[in-house]
Amino acid sequence: SQQGEEDPQALSIQEGENATMNCSYKTSINNLQWYRQNSGRGLVHLILIRSNEREKHSGRLRVTLDTSKKSSSLLITASRAADTASYFCATDEKGAQKLVFGQGTRLTINP
Amino acid sequence: GAGVSQTPSNKVTEKGKYVELRCDPISGHTALYWYRQSLGQGPEFLIYFQGTGAADDSGLPNDRFFAVRPEGSVSTLKIQRTERGDSAVYLCASSAQGDTQYFGPGTRLTVL
Repeated sequence: SQQGEEDPQALSIQEGENATMNCSYKTSINNLQWYRQNSGRGLVHLILIRSNEREKHSGRLRVTLDTSKKSSSLLITASRAADTASYFCATDEKGAQKLVFGQGTRLTINP
Repeated sequence: GAGVSQTPSNKVTEKGKYVELRCDPISGHTALYWYRQSLGQGPEFLIYFQGTGAADDSGLPNDRFFAVRPEGSVSTLKIQRTERGDSAVYLCASSAQGDTQYFGPGTRLTVL
């Protein structure tokens, strides 16, 4: 079973706009990670944010974490057609090594 | 350096057959993970190895599924008496410090 939920399930925007995806989870975590997946194959690691961090940046990506609300958001600024993909958040519960994924957000960037 | 590799990339088999899926982790990574992803879903955890031993196999759906990592590097996921419901993409990941998991391209298994 999957722990989290992602919102929205699908998002379609114009190139150059910002895209925001949200993730909620249920248990206490060590960290939260965001991954990108193209065409249903391998996942590409984007960013990891630890439970004691509130915000993290990497290039055009900004991730926030609110452990009191058990939620995270991923912001992609100045979107490009190449950002079209599915985006997943994944948490590792305290005391466990496995990742628990949400169902993902399918992002489409229209040129 | 080289990333996680998985072979075969695609496997088509008949119901009831036995299959083996292989994962080569990033060199030096002690932790190795198997996940399964059905269409339209996020990956679901199957099993986790630390070194040669299975540290957590709580995600294996039943005793038809088994995985080994005899030398602490390459791992093989074995599925006996395959069923149509086993059709999915099987993903392998490895990590060095138990934090970031790096994923391979996956094996798409189709059971006819």
